[in-house]
Amino acid sequence: KQEVTQIPAALSVPEGENLVLNCSFTDSAIYNLQWFRQDPGKGLTSLLLIQSSQREQTSGRLNASLDKSSGRSTLYIAASQPGDSATYLCAASNTGNQFYFGTGTSLTVIP
Amino acid sequence: DVKVTQSSRYLVKRTGEKVFLECVQDMDHENMFWYRQDPGLGLRLIYFSYDVKMKEKGDIPEGYSVSREKKERFSLILESASTNQTSMYLCASYSPGGIYEQYFGPGTRLTVT
Repeated sequence: KQEVTQIPAALSVPEGENLVLNCSFTDSAIYNLQWFRQDPGKGLTSLLLIQSSQREQTSGRLNASLDKSSGRSTLYIAASQPGDSATYLCAASNTGNQFYFGTGTSLTVIP
Repeated sequence: DVKVTQSSRYLVKRTGEKVFLECVQDMDHENMFWYRQDPGLGLRLIYFSYDVKMKEKGDIPEGYSVSREKKERFSLILESASTNQTSMYLCASYSPGGIYEQYFGPGTRLTVT
């Protein structure tokens, strides 16, 4: 069974800093990896999805990378803003019918 | 714009009540999921459905059942609510054959007293 880990559980940075969130998975035979944002008490919003044949995806200030051989994905946030404060989750899919989630990294961007 | 909606944002029920949580998607997706989310435990899969009237148990199906009579609607049923079912419930959908991108609803915060 795929196990997904996100470390650290919480991160606090000053506004304007570039930062990297980490996601590790145990089974390299993944179909895709998806990054989500979750605001308190809300559902998950999809940020980026990387298919197994891709190395990275970019959307605005966000860049996600995938290294299957090392079992890692990173989410890079450039020039962080207070509005980026949220919990970020990653999910790995092996077959498409099962998605395995990490427990998330809670990000606080201090003005 | 893709949409997954859930019938209630907040719900308070008493122990022993039968509870229905509804999820509707407008994307013609075949696959739909119910998760619960608890602090420190992350998202855990309760049930998923890959077609009308088809369902599969997830990791924690005990105490829950589901119904999928129409493609766009997936219902989660708590037959007799208990306090340990107090949680955030999240519905998601996606269409297989594509890139398998999941879309989530806004969630239902259920409190059982």
